[in-house]
Amino acid sequence: GIQVEQSPPDLILQEGANSTLRCNFSDSVNNLQWFHQNPWGQLINLFYIPSGTKQNGRLSATTVATERYSLLYISSSQTTDSGVYFCAVERVGDDKIIFGKGTRLHILP
Amino acid sequence: ETGVTQTPRHLVMGMTNKKSLKCEQHLGHNAMYWYKQSAKKPLELMFVYSLEERVENNSVPSRFSPECPNSSHLFLHLHTLQPEDSALYLCASSQGRGREQFFGPGTRLTVL
Repeated sequence: GIQVEQSPPDLILQEGANSTLRCNFSDSVNNLQWFHQNPWGQLINLFYIPSGTKQNGRLSATTVATERYSLLYISSSQTTDSGVYFCAVERVGDDKIIFGKGTRLHILP
Repeated sequence: ETGVTQTPRHLVMGMTNKKSLKCEQHLGHNAMYWYKQSAKKPLELMFVYSLEERVENNSVPSRFSPECPNSSHLFLHLHTLQPEDSALYLCASSQGRGREQFFGPGTRLTVL
C-alpha cells in the first residue's frame, strides 16, 4: 500500500519561530489533508490541498503532487500551535485515507 | 450542535461489559468513519459507511460492531473488549468517500 512519511517526527521551537513540516507519499494521490491534533485529541482541519498552495493566517501549505510531497509552513509560532500535525492522503484508484505518523510540535513560551 | 459530536467523551469499562459509542454529524455528509488511535501509532481506519452501507471493514475484531441507522448517526458497539483496546476512538464524516474529512472530539476508552 501507499507509504506516508512525515518529518521531522518531533520538533521543539521557541515562540515566534517559523517551521516547515514535510509529508512524503509513495504513490499518486487524489487528495491530501493536513490536520492539527490538539492536546485534548481533537483533530482540526487545516488544509485540504491535493495540489498547489493555500494560506490561512500564519499557516500555509504547498502540495507538489508530481513530486509526491507536501509542506506545511507555520510562521510566528505560538504556544497554542503545540500538538501533533498529521497529513492524510487518498491514493488514486481507491477511496482509502492513509495517515502519516505525525510531527509532534512543542512551542516553548 | 454543529460539526461532528461524539459521546461519551470518556469511558472506562471492564472486559465483560457491553457499551456503545455514539457519533452524530450535523454537516449533511453521506459517509462516516470510525478510527482508532493508540499511543504511538498512526490513526487506524476501522470502518467506513457510505450512504448507510458498510463499505469497508479493516480486519477489525468482531468484539467491535458498528451500526449506521441513518446518514447522520454512527454507533460502535463494544463487548468483551481487551485492555489493548484502550485507545482514542475518533469518528469522522465527509461528503463522499475519500473527500475532505471532519472529525469529532473522540471518545477516550479505557478497558480494565
